[in-house]
This record gives sequence, C-alpha cells and structure tokens, in this order.
Amino acid sequence: EIVLTQSPGTLSLSPGERATLSCRASQSVRSRYLAWYQQKPGQAPRLLIYGASSRATGIPDRFSGSGSGTEFTLTISRLEPEDLAVYYCQQYGSSLTFGGGTKVEIK
Amino acid sequence: QVQLQESGPGLVKPSETLFLTCAVSGYSISSGNYWGWIRQPPGKGLEWIGSVDQSGSTYYNPSLKSRVTISVDSSKNQFSLKLTSVTAADTAVYYCARDGRYCSGGCCYSDYWGQGTLVTVSS
Repeated sequence: EIVLTQSPGTLSLSPGERATLSCRASQSVRSRYLAWYQQKPGQAPRLLIYGASSRATGIPDRFSGSGSGTEFTLTISRLEPEDLAVYYCQQYGSSLTFGGGTKVEIK
Repeated sequence: QVQLQESGPGLVKPSETLFLTCAVSGYSISSGNYWGWIRQPPGKGLEWIGSVDQSGSTYYNPSLKSRVTISVDSSKNQFSLKLTSVTAADTAVYYCARDGRYCSGGCCYSDYWGQGTLVTVSS
C-alpha cells in the first residue's frame, strides 16, 4: 500500500499570502496519478487537481499542482478567506489511498 | 448537472450489515465511469471503500474486501454498498462519488460527490 504523508499538519496564513502544501508518497506514484481535494467544514470533498497538475472544472487558477514520483505540491498562490479548509492528496496509481490532510487556517 | 444522493439507515447494530444506496441524477450510470464509496470517521480523514462500473466490475480496498460488496442497478441509475459484520470502527460519514475518466481501471479520482450520510454503529 502506498502511504501518503502530508505536511504541514496545519498552515496558518493571511489573505493574499502563498500557501504551499506537501504530499510525500512511500513509493513512486505511477503515471502521476495524484489528486488534491478541498474539504470545507460540514461539506463533501471537492476535487481541485487530478493527474498531479490538471485543474478540475471550475477551479480557480490560483490553485495549482506539481510534482512527480514521490513528491507532490499543491500551491494556492493568493490565499482568500474562503480557502479555509482541509486539503487531502490521493493517489490512484496503485489501489487508492488518501493522505492525512493539511488544515489551512486564515489569520 | 450530475447529482448523487446517499440513502440508508443512520443507525446499525454491531455485527449487523450496513446497506446504503446512491441515486444518480443528471448523468447515466451506464456512461462508462466507475462509481465509488468513500467514508470518513468523525473528525478523521478519508478512506476509500471501493468502486463499481456499469457491468458490475469491482475494485475494493484490500483492508475491507472481505466485508464489502458494491453493486450497480443501471435500470434505476443507482449503485449500492453492503458492509457486513460492522463494529463501532465503521461509524463514519459515507460518501458516494463518480470517478473521473483519466485514470486506469477502477481506481480513480472522484469528480462528483454526494453530500454524505452519517452511519452510526451502536446497540
């Protein structure tokens, strides 16, 4: 099983700042089959990124994904108050597993 | 607009079987996607349960495989989850979701999600 480790556990930033979220895999993720989700309190997860760097439909361009192999990053270029959420990475190249999440707090 | 809606009992007794159904609207379940179940224990992270396609082909989380059955009913445009021998550890919000297209087989990202339904296992 591929274990995904997300860091940091919590990120506290001010509006307008850049947020960098990390997802590290215990083995190489095949074909860059990695996705990112945003989950706001009390809501279902929302797909942000698939294929490591492709934005899902309707996702603002301030969200971007990068990486390959075992190291992946989600970047929010200019944080907005509504970005308060937990962000999860998911690999689907070998079965399917989720990371433990990064909570983004807005100062 | 693709919409998914979970339904089923909110309370299940230990050792019994959990049944949930996901009704899909705005999209045909026979259009070639896989359809999956994911759960989230209160205050914790996400766990993939498994997926099914229109033909009934399934992929399951190895850790749950012995207790899980996912099936599809194309005539009703819905799919279902059965989880046997439940314990308190199965208490969670259960989500159904549509899998995307750019992946391999039945393990894929999910691009549309239901709102989720809380299932509590307790006597």
